[in-house]
Amino acid sequence: GAGVSQSPRYKVAKRGQDVALRCDPISGHVSLFWYQQALGQGPEFLTYFQNEAQLDKSGLPSDRFFAERPEGSVSTLKIQRTQQEDSAVYLCASSLNTQVVGELFFGEGSRLTVL
Amino acid sequence: KNEVEQSPQNLTAQEGEFITINCSYSVGISALHWLQQHPGGGIVSLFMLSSGKKKHGRLIATINIQEKHSSLHITASHPRDSAVYICAVIRSNYKLTFGKGTLLTVNP
Repeated sequence: GAGVSQSPRYKVAKRGQDVALRCDPISGHVSLFWYQQALGQGPEFLTYFQNEAQLDKSGLPSDRFFAERPEGSVSTLKIQRTQQEDSAVYLCASSLNTQVVGELFFGEGSRLTVL
Repeated sequence: KNEVEQSPQNLTAQEGEFITINCSYSVGISALHWLQQHPGGGIVSLFMLSSGKKKHGRLIATINIQEKHSSLHITASHPRDSAVYICAVIRSNYKLTFGKGTLLTVNP
């Protein structure tokens, strides 16, 4: 596709429910990032993939969060047993190269609301 | 103290005014991004710079690495410039640290 595509755009979950958020990066982009953005805050790093390898998952807030990119293209962020504090916009970004000292392309985000 | 501080947090301007948004950071960086985020979440990269100044249309970004400071200027502001502007610093090959953003509202 022309840009980074995320789905769903909006998700309302009941506390305790599992959710899966999808990111389809720009074709051929090596690097893929997930960020979490709470209301009124800047995005915060969650995890980084270089092709299918998850090189850094230090930003994942708990073991309820899991991300994968099995074929080096589409990525899924899964949140198990959602809590209210998980409510945020989840942003995906991709980059052609292995560094961000270059252009970074963001998706529209998936807004998760946990009731 | 946040590693990346932006000021002001909120800015309201009249159409046509010259606007400046500031970003200060406390860590060593290799480069800095200025990003624009419209309501609804989508983020667009405006500039990536590691020294000096860049210009794109009515937007100008400057950085002073020694002073750990960058500014984003908008000349002849327009209501369509209303958005959140975010500064993000590059500390390693892939890790960005973001400021909280500056909410700009340009009134007609």
